[in-house]
Amino acid sequence: GQQLNQSPQSMFIQEGEDVSMNCTSSSIFNTWLWYKQDPGEGPVLLIALYKAGELTSNGRLTAQFGITRKDSFLNISASIPSDVGIYFCAGQGYGGSQGNLIFGKGTKLSVKP
Amino acid sequence: DAGVIQSPRHEVTEMGQEVTLRCKPISGHDYLFWYRQTMMRGLELLIYFNNNVPIDDSGMPEDRFSAKMPNASFSTLKIQPSEPRDSAVYFCASSLGGAPTGYTFGSGTRLTVV
Repeated sequence: GQQLNQSPQSMFIQEGEDVSMNCTSSSIFNTWLWYKQDPGEGPVLLIALYKAGELTSNGRLTAQFGITRKDSFLNISASIPSDVGIYFCAGQGYGGSQGNLIFGKGTKLSVKP
Repeated sequence: DAGVIQSPRHEVTEMGQEVTLRCKPISGHDYLFWYRQTMMRGLELLIYFNNNVPIDDSGMPEDRFSAKMPNASFSTLKIQPSEPRDSAVYFCASSLGGAPTGYTFGSGTRLTVV
């Protein structure tokens, strides 16, 4: 079945640094979404991407839908302590059922004040 | 809007007991999803419903797991009998229009089977 490879698995950074994480797939996706999960809570949608090449920002977050439709990245600029959490990419593949999103394994972000 | 509401938040049960997890989706949403999250396997889709009808249950681990959605505002996930390997966080999520619009997740139920 379709799978997403998300990297890195974890990151330890200093407050103020920029962060970059990405997801790749062996098959084409037509929608990419990025979520953040705080401890003890469910994932929350950060950014949604619908077109190849699309670059979308949400505050200090920027995400792009890769031209090949097989990858996406998320950048966080000037990290702050509340950025701590697990970030998931998710995608809907072509030919997949309307409802089904596939999730990456997540990138755990730790920010040192 | 109160969001997706799950209960209980935590459940500890003994092996062999029946466990029922509950979910109230966001009013007006036509899709409801049940996910299981573990360290080893990440987020796994168990089953999802569209307009209260189960569409894909291929992720349900085995016959011990069952899910129902009797109406648009309520769904249950039942495990009977429970086993220690079922220990995980179970999330319910809902959406309007399915995957392209993203899902809204509940806060999850942390299940521990001892």
